[in-house]
Amino acid sequence: QKEVEQNSGPLSVPEGAIASLNCTYSDRGSQSFFWYRQYSGKSPELIMSIYSNGDKEDGRFTAQLNKASQYVSLLIRDSQPSDSATYLCAVTYSSASKIIFGSGTRLSIRP
Amino acid sequence: GAGVSQSPSNKVTEKGKDVELRCDPISGHTALYWYRQSLGQGLEFLIYFQGNSAPDKSGLPSDRFSAERTGGSVSTLTIQRTQQEDSAVYLCASSSGLAGGPADTQYFGPGTRLTVL
Repeated sequence: QKEVEQNSGPLSVPEGAIASLNCTYSDRGSQSFFWYRQYSGKSPELIMSIYSNGDKEDGRFTAQLNKASQYVSLLIRDSQPSDSATYLCAVTYSSASKIIFGSGTRLSIRP
Repeated sequence: GAGVSQSPSNKVTEKGKDVELRCDPISGHTALYWYRQSLGQGLEFLIYFQGNSAPDKSGLPSDRFSAERTGGSVSTLTIQRTQQEDSAVYLCASSSGLAGGPADTQYFGPGTRLTVL
């Protein structure tokens, strides 16, 4: 079992719709969770971080964390073509000395 | 220089040669990370420094890989006796270290694309 799992996609969503990206992780002691966006040929950049159960909203982005189910998701409302990218889920190990990235979900927003 | 910088941006080497990759973190950032990203893949965590110390080196793929950080700033990743499977983009990131290393927001450099012929 991979430590951080994501559906590789591609996930195709019409412009203006909600894009839902999902991630599961194996280390029950993990404390910190991140979503990074990576455009093709570019370096990752942070979109959202979340540390406690529930929802965290920032503009069009909402991160959701459920530690009991070991599940973290990212919702993108009013999707725009500029949201087309690969989204990487990252989870810190409970030892806090390592961070594991998922393989990423490729999102495509169609006009 | 506000961001993380890496050099060289591209490196082509022959199998069996040693290579050294350099990372300059954001000024004042105490935490520094190295990752490897193969084509179309996610990020593979290699090592994390808090100051000059690396609490966990288990992410390094083999004993051909080593990393050091001196003066709490610049870091070098060295790959000895390179193999074709080492070909990838090597990314460096830094963070403030205030939240405890990997729990911080990381800022990534542009990467070094390594090609081993």
